[in-house]
Amino acid sequence: NAGVTQTPKFRVLKTGQSMTLLCAQDMNHEYMYWYRQDPGMGLRLIHYSVGEGTTAKGEVPDGYNVSRLKKQNFLLGLESAAPSQTSVYFCASSYSILSGIYEQYFGPGTRLTVT
Amino acid sequence: DAKTTQPNSMESNEEEPVHLPCNHSTISGTDYIHWYRQLPSQGPEYVIHGLTSNVNNRMASLAIAEDRKSSTLILHRATLRDAAVYYCITSSGSARQLTFGSGTQLTVLP
Repeated sequence: NAGVTQTPKFRVLKTGQSMTLLCAQDMNHEYMYWYRQDPGMGLRLIHYSVGEGTTAKGEVPDGYNVSRLKKQNFLLGLESAAPSQTSVYFCASSYSILSGIYEQYFGPGTRLTVT
Repeated sequence: DAKTTQPNSMESNEEEPVHLPCNHSTISGTDYIHWYRQLPSQGPEYVIHGLTSNVNNRMASLAIAEDRKSSTLILHRATLRDAAVYYCITSSGSARQLTFGSGTQLTVLP
């Protein structure tokens, strides 16, 4: 049981390049999330998904797109990278412990630098 | 979700109890209180959650004030591996999202 995995672990992009971050979970969780964490700050939600084929915007969605074609995978895309997107990206998945409680499991993160 | 206020940093000696406070004065009656922690260079991990009553699990205890406007995460015997940023989060019953603040950086001294 690998939990939540993220690919790649590190990446350096030039301004304007595109890339896709892959998140995979093997816990059969319905919900998946993408966060970014800038130095010295807490996590901010980019997009999330409440099930296969559905996505929704979080707090900071601009410049990112997501897709959830399979239940176990959640992809985060940057179409035209900007230096402001330099950050550590965390993926998470969750299930409902009971109504209203969703314990989130986080991946190890992807460190992205845009030059 | 109610705004939470936590101290930026705290220190503790190894093997002593640690009490991490959190204020959430605008919490509504159906909001849950969650605690997560983030070890260095790792993603956050769930610690504990509660609604009204105090809660215990293998990692920690959560003490919730009677008026629910504050709570305290208690680590009974801090170890060096407990050095992390601790986040206190409130969320409504229907929310599937968590809003992370800046948390409390806990330093454990040997």
